[in-house]
Amino acid sequence: ELKVEQNPLFLSMQEGKNYTIYCNYSTTSDRLYWYRQDPGKSLESLFVLLSNGAVKQEGRLMASLDTKARLSTLHITAAVHDLSATYFCAVDMDYNTDKLIFGTGTRLQVFP
Amino acid sequence: EAGVAQSPRYKIIEKRQSVAFWCNPISGHATLYWYQQILGQGPKLLIQFQNNGVVDDSQLPKDRFSAERLKGVDSTLKIQPAKLEDSAVYLCASSTTGGPTDTQYFGPGTRLTVL
Repeated sequence: ELKVEQNPLFLSMQEGKNYTIYCNYSTTSDRLYWYRQDPGKSLESLFVLLSNGAVKQEGRLMASLDTKARLSTLHITAAVHDLSATYFCAVDMDYNTDKLIFGTGTRLQVFP
Repeated sequence: EAGVAQSPRYKIIEKRQSVAFWCNPISGHATLYWYQQILGQGPKLLIQFQNNGVVDDSQLPKDRFSAERLKGVDSTLKIQPAKLEDSAVYLCASSTTGGPTDTQYFGPGTRLTVL
């Protein structure tokens, strides 16, 4: 059974600082997604990573995928308060059906 | 482009009662998903439809949960009878074809509380 683990589960960071969220998964997959969820809201797609070595950047967020290590990272550069949310990675475990297995989530809080 | 619509947004019921949720996907999206998100956890896929056919329902508790997607557009998810552990947010998502490069777009969810 595919397991997807994120760490840390909780992250409190000061504005202007950098940090990385890690997503490890237990079986082979070369497609990984990052989503953002604000409190009481639904999930918003951030990045789709479709191959080994893929790197995507949007604003202060950058995501990468290493399929050999079964690891994805979400790097936050110079954090701002607006980035406060819960971030989920999701691994596509079935090429034919696009079935996603979500990680546990990382709750990020950015304070002044 | 209108997003995924869900209703109701909130529902409170007592255990052993029945409840139904409705989802209208993004126009033209062939694939529809229902997820259960328990507080503090990531979403868990319950069922996936491709048009009006079921692709995956391996994690759907079929003794109490049912879902249908008539005419390949709207979908309903039903719980009968509800248990306390069914308290969660039920998310509907859709994608164009369900293929490996598709992004799933999520609706606002229905928050269910079972007392």
